[in-house]
Amino acid sequence: DAGVTQSPTHLIKTRGQHVTLRCSPISGHKSVSWYQQVLGQGPQFIFQYYEKEERGRGNFPDRFSARQFPNYSSELNVNALLLGDSALYLCASSLGGLDEQYFGPGTRLTVT
Amino acid sequence: DQQVKQNSPSLSVQEGRISILNCDYTNSMFDYFLWYKKYPAEGPTFLISISSIKDKNEDGRFTVFLNKSAKHLSLHIVPSQPGDSAVYFCAASGDQTGANNLFFGTGTRLTVIP
Repeated sequence: DAGVTQSPTHLIKTRGQHVTLRCSPISGHKSVSWYQQVLGQGPQFIFQYYEKEERGRGNFPDRFSARQFPNYSSELNVNALLLGDSALYLCASSLGGLDEQYFGPGTRLTVT
Repeated sequence: DQQVKQNSPSLSVQEGRISILNCDYTNSMFDYFLWYKKYPAEGPTFLISISSIKDKNEDGRFTVFLNKSAKHLSLHIVPSQPGDSAVYFCAASGDQTGANNLFFGTGTRLTVIP
C-alpha cells in the first residue's frame, strides 16, 4: 500500500505570494493533520481534519487555511507568505482516533 | 512555550551498547506519548508509544519508560545498531478538545558508531 504522499516536493516562493500544498492520506485513513517543521525544531501542529471537518487548529495566523476533500485528500493554503514561513510542511494521516499518525515526506517551502 | 523538551541535541553511542534518549514534558494533561525516528529527506516514522496508564512498553530492541510524577520519559535502544542513526523526536498528545494533534520536542540526533 502507498504511504502518505505530498506534492510538490519542494518549491520556492516570493514574499507576499500564495501557496497551496497537497496531501493524499493512506487508503482508509480519514484524518489528515498538517505540521510545520522549521529547521532545528520539532514539527508544530497546524491543523487536523477528520471527515472533511476541522477538528483542531494550532497557534497559527489566519493566513493558514486548509480543507479536506470527499476522498480525504487535503490542501494546505498559506496566503501573504513571509520569510518565516520557510519550513518543511508535513502531512500525517491516521484512522481518526488517538492513534499513530503516519507522515509523508513533506514539502520543503522556501520563501525569498 | 515548549511543552515537550528534549534537552540533548545529540548523542553518540558505540554499536552494541545501549542508547538512552530522554524527554521531559510540562503539560500534565498529556496522556499518550510517542517516539518518532526521522531520516533526512523523509517524514518522521512512528517507533513506539506508551499510554499514561502504563510505565513501560517494549517492542523488540526498543523500550519506552514513563515516569508521570517526574513528567519524564525515555527511550532505550538495546543493542544499538548503525542503522539506528537518525533524529529521534519525542511527542505527546492529550488535547482536551479531542483533536489528534501532537506536541513534538526538538529532537535528538543519535549517531551509532560501528
